[in-house]
Amino acid sequence: AQTVTQSQPEMSVQEAETVTLSCTYDTSESDYYLFWYKQPPSRQMILVIRQEAYKQQNATENRFSVNFQKAAKSFSLKISDSQLGDAAMYFCAYRPRYGNKLVFGAGTILRVKS
Amino acid sequence: GAGVSQSPSNKVTEKGKDVELRCDPISGHTALYWYRQRLGQGLEFLIYFQGNSAPDKSGLPSDRFSAERTGESVSTLTIQRTQQEDSAVYLCASSLVVLAGGYEQYFGPGTRLTVT
Repeated sequence: AQTVTQSQPEMSVQEAETVTLSCTYDTSESDYYLFWYKQPPSRQMILVIRQEAYKQQNATENRFSVNFQKAAKSFSLKISDSQLGDAAMYFCAYRPRYGNKLVFGAGTILRVKS
Repeated sequence: GAGVSQSPSNKVTEKGKDVELRCDPISGHTALYWYRQRLGQGLEFLIYFQGNSAPDKSGLPSDRFSAERTGESVSTLTIQRTQQEDSAVYLCASSLVVLAGGYEQYFGPGTRLTVT
């Protein structure tokens, strides 16, 4: 069974600084997607970034980038120039390419200090 | 366009009562998913609908849980004889289904269920 582990229950970062959130996963599949979702207090899940496993290049979306290490089954999220609006719960998630359900980690609460 | 909507936003019910939660997917999305999020935890998959195919019910935790979807429209998740451990946020998502597997799930704001 696929599992996703986020080992950091909570992280803090100073505004304008950089923070990295960790995620590891376990799967026997070779082709899959990895995602980072943001969930603010409004509960709305927002897709931050996604990575396709067969692409070696790390995905980037503006201030958000990932470090995808397929052999190590590691998928960390780096947030640069942190802003107060980045404060939220962040979830790492996995889906096989042709699968129909996301497998989520337990989440990391990110606090941004001004 | 309109996103995924869910109703009610919050629901408080007494133990033993039945509840119905509703999800309106994005128009044109053939796939619909229900997830459960317990307090402070990640999302757990409950059920998946794709067009007129048989739903994937592998995540439903007990036979008290059921869901229906007519065609590619609204879905309802029903919990019978609610228990306190059913208290959670129930999130619905919808997506297109692309043969190459590249599709995104768009989430609604969820229904917070509290069983007293």
